[in-house]
Amino acid sequence: QKEVEQDPGPLSVPEGAIVSLNCTYSNSAFQYFMWYRQYSRKGPELLMYTYSSGNKEDGRFTAQVDKSSKYISLFIRDSQPSDSATYLCAMSVVRNTPLVFGKGTRLSVIA
Amino acid sequence: DVKVTQSSRYLVKRTGEKVFLECVQDMDHENMFWYRQDPGLGLRLIYFSYDVKMKEKGDIPEGYSVSREKKERFSLILESASTNQTSMYLCASSSTSSGRTWSDTQYFGPGTRLTVL
Repeated sequence: QKEVEQDPGPLSVPEGAIVSLNCTYSNSAFQYFMWYRQYSRKGPELLMYTYSSGNKEDGRFTAQVDKSSKYISLFIRDSQPSDSATYLCAMSVVRNTPLVFGKGTRLSVIA
Repeated sequence: DVKVTQSSRYLVKRTGEKVFLECVQDMDHENMFWYRQDPGLGLRLIYFSYDVKMKEKGDIPEGYSVSREKKERFSLILESASTNQTSMYLCASSSTSSGRTWSDTQYFGPGTRLTVL
């Protein structure tokens, strides 16, 4: 079993839809959870950062961590064509250690 | 803003050539990382460094070496390039600051797309 599993998609939604992106993981020691967004031919950029369990909201984006289920989610409300990108989940056990990445989900938001 | 720059966006090399990929960050970050990204395989860690002249192997170090002579610069070296090293190479850096929780997040450069013929 891979340490971090992420559905690669592609996922195609109409503009304005609510998008749900998910990752599951096997290592219960993970404590730091991140979502990165990567536009085509660019490097990943940090979108959301969560420590341990709970929810975090930033504008149209909400990150959720359920450590009991080893499951993290990113929700995008009122999705826009500019949200079209690959979304990567990443996690680590200890701060400042290398991240373990999911393979990324490719999202297309159609106007 | 944190800036991580990589020496080339696109690079084409021949099999057997020695290849240098350079990464520079301007935020005085202690930690630097090299990843490669391939379709269907995601991001895989090659090497990382927590300090000048220090290096640690990642998940796939074979065929690569690194050099960190200055804090701001981290170089990835392909000693003898092979076709299976054709990939997107991404450099990242992060701070060891114990302050804000976001302070240790990794910031990525734009990537170097390397093709080995």
